[in-house]
Amino acid sequence: AQSVTQPDIHITVSEGASLELRCNYSYGATPYLFWYVQSPGQGLQLLLKYFSGDTLVQGIKGFEAEFKRSQSSFNLRKPSVHWSDAAEYFCAVGATGGGADGLTFGKGTHLIIQP
Amino acid sequence: DAGVIQSPRHEVTEMGQEVTLRCKPISGHNSLFWYRQTMMRGLELLIYFNNNVPIDDSGMPEDRFSAKMPNASFSTLKIQPSEPRDSAVYFCASMLAGAADTQYFGPGTRLTVL
Repeated sequence: AQSVTQPDIHITVSEGASLELRCNYSYGATPYLFWYVQSPGQGLQLLLKYFSGDTLVQGIKGFEAEFKRSQSSFNLRKPSVHWSDAAEYFCAVGATGGGADGLTFGKGTHLIIQP
Repeated sequence: DAGVIQSPRHEVTEMGQEVTLRCKPISGHNSLFWYRQTMMRGLELLIYFNNNVPIDDSGMPEDRFSAKMPNASFSTLKIQPSEPRDSAVYFCASMLAGAADTQYFGPGTRLTVL
């Protein structure tokens, strides 16, 4: 069975600073990897995904993530955060077809933006 | 596209009552998922359907939970009887399986069982 670990429960970053959110996964085969963002009281919005190919993937809102098989990681980055980026971020892994049999989520990282 | 629609958005009920959560997936999607989000356990997959057929319900916590998908545009998740520990946010998601697609989530139903 697959699993996802997001080591940081909370992260505080100053507005304009760079951001990196960590994600480690456990899965025996090539995983399908996702980052979702959840604003308070809202559903989950897909930021980006990795299925295959280029290990650096670009997403919406200026986010990117890099798949590193040797480290079983899929860290999310943004060069300069905005106050509107404050939210809960979830990393997820799917076993087949883009998650067609369901996604396994990490516990999430709560991002706080300092003015 | 209206996205995934869930109703109600908020539900407050008393222990022992029956609760029914509803979901309308995105038109054309052939897979539907029910997830539950709690502080303790995070986001968990409860059950998913493919072409209206339940494929894996191993995440359903116990027999008090049941889910149906009578047609491609509607699904329900029922809890009978409800208990305080069922309090959570329940999300529905849909996708077009087999098309390198991703799951699209609804806004969720926040359930409080008193």
